Amino acid sequence: GAGVSQTPSNKVTEKGKYVELRCDPISGHTALYWYRQSLGQGPEFLIYFQGTGAADDSGLPNDRFFAVRPEGSVSTLKIQRTERGDSAVYLCASSLTGNSGNTIYFGEGSWLTVV
Amino acid sequence: DAKTTQPNSMESNEEEPVHLPCNHSTISGTDYIHWYRQLPSQGPEYVIHGLTSNVNNRMASLAIAEDRKSSTLILHRATLRDAAVYYCILRDDTGGFKTIFGAGTRLFVKA
Repeated sequence: GAGVSQTPSNKVTEKGKYVELRCDPISGHTALYWYRQSLGQGPEFLIYFQGTGAADDSGLPNDRFFAVRPEGSVSTLKIQRTERGDSAVYLCASSLTGNSGNTIYFGEGSWLTVV
Repeated sequence: DAKTTQPNSMESNEEEPVHLPCNHSTISGTDYIHWYRQLPSQGPEYVIHGLTSNVNNRMASLAIAEDRKSSTLILHRATLRDAAVYYCILRDDTGGFKTIFGAGTRLFVKA
């Protein structure tokens, strides 16, 4: 597709369950970002990939959160033992490279609700 | 990471110009100034970016102060579809990947 694609668009899960959120970046983009956004707030940085490696995962809130990008394209954000506080919109974005002059393109987000 | 300061909200009339300010007093020489906006229930979308010179594109203009400690996003004729949260962010080549967003400015457009 032409843009960043995220699936599922909506996910409702029970507290304690495991969740995976998928991101398909724009073809050819080497940089991939995950953000989390709570209601009324700006996006909060979680992790950045350059190619297959996580160049910066300092935004991951705790060890229940993990993300992979094994082939340098699709990425999966994994959340273990979900808690109600994990409810948020999870945004994925990509850019051609991590260069600061490059535009970042965002997906529509995956809305996660933990009940 | 260098931070930005924006007003929480602004209001404009339709068809009138809008000037959205952003302060970034701790900006470094290699920081690019980016503006994104987020419409309700959508991901942020790119608006414009610049380094030192003023920039124009089909969506908006970006005016950068000479000392680069502030910038202004200019929407030349606001429409109802421009009602969104506007984020001013700084990106540099060392921490550009981290790209920290603030709370942004919520723009209300009145018909």
